[in-house]
Amino acid sequence: GAVVSQHPSRVICKSGTSVKIECRSLDFQATTMFWYRQFPKQSLMLMATSNEGSKATYEQGVEKDKFLINHASLTLSTLTVTSAHPEDSSFYICSGQEGGRETQYFGPGTRLLVL
Amino acid sequence: KNQVEQSPQSLIILEGKNCTLQCNYTVSPFSNLRWYKQDTGRGPVSLTIMTFSENTKSNGRYTATLDADTKQSSLHITASQLSDSASYICVVSPLYNTDKLIFGTGTRLQVFP
Repeated sequence: GAVVSQHPSRVICKSGTSVKIECRSLDFQATTMFWYRQFPKQSLMLMATSNEGSKATYEQGVEKDKFLINHASLTLSTLTVTSAHPEDSSFYICSGQEGGRETQYFGPGTRLLVL
Repeated sequence: KNQVEQSPQSLIILEGKNCTLQCNYTVSPFSNLRWYKQDTGRGPVSLTIMTFSENTKSNGRYTATLDADTKQSSLHITASQLSDSASYICVVSPLYNTDKLIFGTGTRLQVFP
């Protein structure tokens, strides 16, 4: 099946710093990539949808200036958490989707801990 | 009220036993319903996918059923193994917005030896 990787798998940072998370589709071209956030014992919540070469579409309540998404190529999307605060600590998961197809392939997730 | 509800929230079983997880949904119309397995600290991995016209789908020891009339689905795990310990998530894809997956809160399964 299609493989999506994320880097780093976990990161610890100080409050106020920025953190970049990479999401790569390894064996397919992801026309669309999705970014999710998952708090402990809760469902995945969609943060934003990005199409290659376009600006991301953010879900209601997600600050676009705080969570910067770049989808510059068909195999790479990045999520930058700017000026991170402890409440941003969460599990961030991306998924990739080929053009014209419905299935999303999920990455392994990135655990972010902001001290 | 969540559009996709799962029960039980958590379940403990002994290795080798069978178990069934439930999913009730209100999403309508929908394109497909999937069951995912999510290991702790990992992303979800697809187990089964069913369209609204399918009643059952198997993947090894995992068998999913779907009753579109009652809007219920179940995931049956046969001869459980320790490696089955994970969260199992029911996900429904709305027909008119297939990208906006609706996730259940999951069932946390623990298999003990």
